[in-house]
Amino acid sequence: ILNVEQSPQSLHVQEGDSTNFTCSFPSSNFYALHWYRWETAKSPEALFVMTLNGDEKKKGRISATLNTKEGYSYLYIKGSQPEDSATYLCAMDRQAGTALIFGKGTTLSVSS
Amino acid sequence: GAVVSQHPSRVICKSGTSVKIECRSLDFQATTMFWYRQFPKQSLMLMATSNEGSKATYEQGVEKDKFLINHASLTLSTLTVTSAHPEDSSFYICSAREPGNEQFFGPGTRLTVL
Repeated sequence: ILNVEQSPQSLHVQEGDSTNFTCSFPSSNFYALHWYRWETAKSPEALFVMTLNGDEKKKGRISATLNTKEGYSYLYIKGSQPEDSATYLCAMDRQAGTALIFGKGTTLSVSS
Repeated sequence: GAVVSQHPSRVICKSGTSVKIECRSLDFQATTMFWYRQFPKQSLMLMATSNEGSKATYEQGVEKDKFLINHASLTLSTLTVTSAHPEDSSFYICSAREPGNEQFFGPGTRLTVL
């Protein structure tokens, strides 16, 4: 059974705080790691796709890193804003074109 | 990014009825679509892989006769929950994969069976 684990399950931060979440995955049979941002009543929005060990991706105040050897990825949000409030999902690809294996998500709440 | 629509967004039905959920890729052709289900506080769990023009591939433990999947065109896949029961109440979400490997999700359907 392949498990993708995310921590923490939820967290609450103040506007302006920087924060990070963890995604751990089995390092065997790894093809790619995806991060999604999911707001209530909307489609999950793709943030990053990473495939290579040591990959780092950045989009505005959000960035992510990947360590395929030890099986983890970090998502960082710098200077959190209320609009960053959402559930952040990570998902693993075992091979190209297949379905993703998801973690349970980290729900972020940012207070102004 | 590409857009995937899903309809309806929410449905409430009586036990024993069948419910059809549509998943459409609006601006790209998807030879493969996926159907996931999410129970409260759980991960999105893959139910089946829908392939255009062929039978769907179901994950272990998912009844193919209960969850009928039809992928008749490159832009539409449907999931029909037949003879729905309260235990089928869940959040159902589809995704479509572009040839370039990016996967896009619909907004999901909340099914409540009374």
